Parts: sequence; C-alpha cells; structure tokens
Amino acid sequence: NAGVTQTPKFQVLKTGQSMTLQCAQDMNHNSMYWYRQDPGMGLRLIYYSASEGTTDKGEVPNGYNVSRLNKREFSLRLESAAPSQTSVYFCASSVRTGTGVNYGYTFGSGTRLTVV
Amino acid sequence: AQRVTQPEKLLSVFKGAPVELKCNYSYSGSPELFWYVQYSRQRLQLLLRHISRESIKGFTADLNKGETSFHLKKPFAQEEDSAMYYCALSGRGDYKLSFGAGTTVTVRA
Repeated sequence: NAGVTQTPKFQVLKTGQSMTLQCAQDMNHNSMYWYRQDPGMGLRLIYYSASEGTTDKGEVPNGYNVSRLNKREFSLRLESAAPSQTSVYFCASSVRTGTGVNYGYTFGSGTRLTVV
Repeated sequence: AQRVTQPEKLLSVFKGAPVELKCNYSYSGSPELFWYVQYSRQRLQLLLRHISRESIKGFTADLNKGETSFHLKKPFAQEEDSAMYYCALSGRGDYKLSFGAGTTVTVRA
C-alpha cells in the first residue's frame, strides 16, 4: 500500500520554465490537496479538490494551476516558474466519514523545487 | 477565518524531561484539531487527532475550547522525539486544513 506518491522528488528549474508535479493516491480518498512548505511559515494550501471533478483555490494559488485527472491523481502545474516558488511541495489526501468527521490527511514525501 | 498559532519556533529539552508544545487556535465553528510530526526530511505524519482522544508515542493533547488551545504534552522526552511538530485545524465539514508555523523540538542527551 503506497499511500500518496509524488514525483519528482527533486527539481531545479530556470525562471520562466514550466513543469507539472504529479500526485497519486491509492487509498480511495475523495479529497486531495497541494501544499507548499516554507521555513517559518508552516504549510500553506495552494489548491484542493474536494472530490473528483472539482477544484478550488487555497491560500496561495497565484502562479499555479491544478488538474484532478481522476479520483487517484491530482497534478500541480507551474506555468512560468519564479524564484518565489522555490519551496517544498506536498500532496495530501483525505476522506471524511458520512457525518463529516475528518480523520486526518495522508501526505506524500514531498517535491523539493528550486527555481533559479 | 481560521487561524493556528504556535508561539514557540524552537524548543530544546533534555532527555527524560517533560515537553509541552503550545497551540492556540481561532475558529468560530466546531473545530477539528490535529498534531502532525515531521522527522528530518521525511513526510508529515499524523500524530494525534482530538476526536480520537488517544495517546501516541507517549504524547497526549487535550482540546480546551474555553482557552481555544490544543497543547501537545509528553511527560518524558526521548531523543527520537526530535522533530518538527505542526498543529493543524479544520472545521467540521470543511476540506481545508490550516497549519501553524511549526515548532522544532530538539531533545538533548
């Protein structure tokens, strides 16, 4: 049981280049998320997908786009990378009970992105 | 708006000493609170959730709605507890999980 799998693990981009971060989960979770982690700022939500076919902006969506390809996969795209997007990116997934209780997120191992 | 505050960026304790990580939150509805732990260069792992009222690796956390706090405690710290700890909040029925800035714990021998 792999849980949440992210690729790539490391990436260096030049300013203006584009790339897509891939995320897949095998836990049959409905909801998926993309966070960025920066020192002293914790994790900030970029985009999320409550269920297949829906996506919504989080706290810091500018400069990013997402695609919920199917229930398993949720990708994050940087169209024109900027140095301010240097960060560690985490994908996560979650499921809620029928009464709406959240039992927590499962995170991927992260992608360390450097934009030069 | 929901907000999570972890007032301590760094916490250093000796092995065998008690450790307490503070977490305060702001949320107008019914909160769901969690503690996550991240060991060096690893993924975040769920440590505790208030709804389960459990003890994991000797850690406990009690939700105090009056003080809007969810402090994490362990009576006897171990060297393997050295890690980054994040407090997180979600609203009942909400999909977004908001994180505090994190507390780095170092347990010294």
